[in-house]
Amino acid sequence: GESVGLHLPTLSVQEGDNSIINCAYSNSASDYFIWYKQESGKGPQFIIDIRSNMDKRQGQRVTVLLNKTVKHLSLQIAATQPGDSAVYFCAENMGNTGKLIFGQGTTLQVKP
Amino acid sequence: NAGVTQTPKFQVLKTGQSMTLQCAQDMNHNSMYWYRQDPGMGLRLIYYSASEGTTDKGEVPNGYNVSRLNKREFSLRLESAAPSQTSVYFCASTLDYSNQPQHFGDGTRLSIL
Repeated sequence: GESVGLHLPTLSVQEGDNSIINCAYSNSASDYFIWYKQESGKGPQFIIDIRSNMDKRQGQRVTVLLNKTVKHLSLQIAATQPGDSAVYFCAENMGNTGKLIFGQGTTLQVKP
Repeated sequence: NAGVTQTPKFQVLKTGQSMTLQCAQDMNHNSMYWYRQDPGMGLRLIYYSASEGTTDKGEVPNGYNVSRLNKREFSLRLESAAPSQTSVYFCASTLDYSNQPQHFGDGTRLSIL
């Protein structure tokens, strides 16, 4: 079946370094992708999104890259801070229904 | 801004009991969703309502029913709770499901004994 997966369950980085979280998706018809951040005891929080007609999108300290050729999505966080520690999920939108398929998540740990 | 509000935040049920989880959004969004999240996993879609008056099954609908009461409210009902339904339940909403992100509530933590 269709799935969205993340390559690494846990990523540990030093405060101030850049972080890169990867995601592989398998549905070539997906046209909209979203990154969420989830802190303990909270619901997923929207970080950034990208549509399939784009390769890159930048936000505040975050960049999402989309490579449709290899069905790969990445989230880059610049100058990682302790407050960035959380679980990060990628999600793909299954076309015209709004159904989101979530990956299993990557835990980002920021060391002081 | 309240956003998406879920009630209750915590609940313990016995096997076979029924319960309704409530969700309300104040963002005038058209589409609403119910997900469950099991430990160490991503979210799985239970049911969704693309617009007021419509509901459809998601990935894991068995054992659940939903009601889109009005544009603001979308409830999830467990008719006969089972231990396998122990999970954290999230409600989400979006203005335009094709190109707008879903916004989530903080979840209902449900334990079934």
